[in-house]
Amino acid sequence: DVKVTQSSRYLVKRTGEKVFLECVQDMDHENMFWYRQDPGLGLRLIYFSYDVKMKEKGDIPEGYSVSREKKERFSLILESASTNQTSMYLCASTPGGLNYEQYFGPGTRLTVT
Amino acid sequence: DQQVKQNSPSLSVQEGRISILNCDYTNSMFDYFLWYKKYPAEGPTFLISISSIKDKNEDGRFTVFLNKSAKHLSLHIVPSQPGDSAVYFCAADIQGAQKLVFGQGTRLTINP
Repeated sequence: DVKVTQSSRYLVKRTGEKVFLECVQDMDHENMFWYRQDPGLGLRLIYFSYDVKMKEKGDIPEGYSVSREKKERFSLILESASTNQTSMYLCASTPGGLNYEQYFGPGTRLTVT
Repeated sequence: DQQVKQNSPSLSVQEGRISILNCDYTNSMFDYFLWYKKYPAEGPTFLISISSIKDKNEDGRFTVFLNKSAKHLSLHIVPSQPGDSAVYFCAADIQGAQKLVFGQGTRLTINP
């Protein structure tokens, strides 16, 4: 079974803090993704990575950055957290090739106060 | 600009009856479609998919129908069970892009 784990289930941070969200997958998947889920908006893609040290902007990258130093690990960084970044953050991975199915982690509920 | 739309935020169905969840898309380049199911406090899990070369795909109680001319797909669940109560997301991809575009989700409630 593919397992995607996220470092925290719940996180509370203050405005202006630097926030790190970590994601690890154990199936040697090529591609990794970060989404945020908000009511009425579904899942929106923040950043994705096709390979180590590669990153691509998704639909809403403003205010975020990412790091992929190792194949199994993909980090999402909020350089200076703001209240409008309060959301559920979901990490996903896929093997690549013709397999489109994304495997998701359990999510991190981030609250910025 | 929402390229994948689920216009019903919620749906309530009696146990044992058919649940039909709908999804519309605008980008004619989409050629692969997926349905995900999400329980509270869990990540989405893959349910069923369909390629644009097909118009129907079935897996047990779940069937997905694709109408390319109408840019519409639907998920049928028969018979509906209480464990099917969840939020359902449809998603679309362009071959080779490996980037899913998700709809807003529909909350399905199965009533006993």
